[in-house]
Amino acid sequence: GAGVSQSPRYKVAKRGQDVALRCDPISGHVSLFWYQQALGQGPEFLTYFQNEAQLDKSGLPSDRFFAERPEGSVSTLKIQRTQQEDSAVYLCASSGGPSDHNEQFFGPGTRLTVL
Amino acid sequence: AQKITQTQPGMFVQEKEAVTLDCTYDTSDPSYGLFWYKQPSSGEMIFLIYQGSYDQQNATEGRYSLNFQKARKSANLVISASQLGDSAMYFCAMREGIWQGGKLIFGQGTELSVKP
Repeated sequence: GAGVSQSPRYKVAKRGQDVALRCDPISGHVSLFWYQQALGQGPEFLTYFQNEAQLDKSGLPSDRFFAERPEGSVSTLKIQRTQQEDSAVYLCASSGGPSDHNEQFFGPGTRLTVL
Repeated sequence: AQKITQTQPGMFVQEKEAVTLDCTYDTSDPSYGLFWYKQPSSGEMIFLIYQGSYDQQNATEGRYSLNFQKARKSANLVISASQLGDSAMYFCAMREGIWQGGKLIFGQGTELSVKP
């Protein structure tokens, strides 16, 4: 079965450009998470959706970051006016399958480099 | 304060030997879940094992086991019979509360290298 997919896998942006990162969760998974992973660090939570509702956006570092999941499946993370400190791997995860501990399944990530 | 602490930035183990990766956590919530993930150089996070705060027994999944010491707030991962393919970054993570939809809080990770 298909896992979580993300696109693009790599993105290079000039400082000040807007970028959009896409996540396709596992079909039927209700919960979707975005994490940011800086080089050599563990992932850090950005935002969480349950279906189309964004229930937690406490990890978004600034108002330049925006996420949506309008139909409760595919999600897009948008970063406006990118800065060099935004360079990181952006990981998407989904959960909601039959497991009783609801582990999160991660995609391969999008590596964003801001020049 | 760090909620998840992994004190070993890097570890080496000989192929076929066992290795323990340390993880301590900090929470005041009586209900929580602990996870271990493996991240190979390809970047994808792979779920390995889960331990719930109310679980009476240590979790096991194949060659992976979790040494859960609740009073000491530690959740160490034990990998038995190491294989070359086990070389990767390993992250310990915690989900607080009983709500299973909660976010994960990750540690800094431990890089494991398996020597032939």
